[in-house]
Amino acid sequence: EVQLVESGGVLVQPGGSLRLSCAASGFTFSTYSMNWVRQAPGKGLEWVSFISYSSRTIHYADSVKGRFTISRDNAKNLLYLQMNSLRAEDTAIYYCARDVSPYGDYPLLNYWGQGTLVTVSS
Amino acid sequence: EIVLTQSPGTLSLSLGEKATLSCRASQSVSSTFLAWYQQKPGQAPRLLMYGASGRATGIPDRFSVSGSGTDFTLTISRLEPEDFAVYYCQHFGSSPPHTFGQGTKLEIK
Repeated sequence: EVQLVESGGVLVQPGGSLRLSCAASGFTFSTYSMNWVRQAPGKGLEWVSFISYSSRTIHYADSVKGRFTISRDNAKNLLYLQMNSLRAEDTAIYYCARDVSPYGDYPLLNYWGQGTLVTVSS
Repeated sequence: EIVLTQSPGTLSLSLGEKATLSCRASQSVSSTFLAWYQQKPGQAPRLLMYGASGRATGIPDRFSVSGSGTDFTLTISRLEPEDFAVYYCQHFGSSPPHTFGQGTKLEIK
């Protein structure tokens, strides 16, 4: 069974930093591209970042470019999101999500974690 | 950047009725790279449909998609209680950003 479990969400002050993790199991992590998608309270979905299975291709939404860094450790089946210079508007549930197909180039997402809440407030 | 606009914002229908949800793109996109997700309160989104007619695992055939160019539609032929949720369209081409629409809430009338 495919499982994605996010962790690391906490209350952080504006300007602070945070690293989210997503532990993957039940599939061959090293062959699937992964994504982070966020959802502000009561709002819609916002795609945040994509990393290919090999880490060779990385994409970011303009709203986080230069502040967030996606990475992965295929040996440990872990996906990360390093978040710096956090702003109030980054407050959201952050989901990690897996692509439908192995070796995919684009985020068609058929498995999602339950999310971790990041709150940016003083 | 492709912007996806969904309409209506809220759709109120009764059990057994047909639901038609719209997703309009700011520029022409291939239906191959258009997907639909369902999200229920307190849950993560679930992939429903993708491409011209692809149905994710376990999705019943009362769900269908159509459209081309800038106008796309998700149709639910006969509403069941479990269909009441928020629906999002997404463009997932190989170039970012991989935009979601703002969502349509389907509620019981």
